[in-house]
Amino acid sequence: EAGVTQFPSHSVIEKGQTVTLRCDPISGHDNLYWYRRVMGKEIKFLLHFVKESKQDESGMPNNRFLAERTGGTYSTLKVQPAELEDSGVYFCASSLRTDYGYTFGSGTRLTVV
Amino acid sequence: EDQVTQSPEALRLQEGESSSLNCSYTVSGLRGLFWYRQDPGKGPEFLFTLYSAGEEKEKERLKATLTKKESFLHITAPKPEDSATYLCAVQARGNNRLAFGKGNQVVVIP
Repeated sequence: EAGVTQFPSHSVIEKGQTVTLRCDPISGHDNLYWYRRVMGKEIKFLLHFVKESKQDESGMPNNRFLAERTGGTYSTLKVQPAELEDSGVYFCASSLRTDYGYTFGSGTRLTVV
Repeated sequence: EDQVTQSPEALRLQEGESSSLNCSYTVSGLRGLFWYRQDPGKGPEFLFTLYSAGEEKEKERLKATLTKKESFLHITAPKPEDSATYLCAVQARGNNRLAFGKGNQVVVIP
């Protein structure tokens, strides 16, 4: 079974530019999550999709972040325009059930300079 | 707000030297407590979910236990390949998101 795939693995962009992160979940997993870890802090929740619908987006920091999930398959997270404090590692995860362990991807390390 | 505190932050063990990691939590009604393992440059890898006080789960040299206020991850006779950061997270009733602690970084020396 293929795992959760994220790309790019690394991205370095200048402040004010736009970046789009992509996540391909495990096939058949209706639940898809985005989390973020900024340096020195714990991993924090951003949002949760069930199929193509946003179930919970309470963790999205501000309106510069836009997440979509096309047809309930892959998801994208766009940051526009990027700020320095957006730097960190963005993780995507997917699951069949919401009360059991997720499968995480390896993350995208975003550096805004 | 759900909170998770893990201790110690970092731990160095000799191979074979058993130890325990602590995860203290506050949550408005626990739905589940999760343990993950994370290796450098990789995403968290799921280990266990515990749902109620008194529950225990085991996998190889790892054993997780749960009380109403904390969870322990016991590492028995660790090997160098057990070196990793161990993450604890809680999920509250009524929502699906996880609140993570900062992790316990474990190094096992041969």
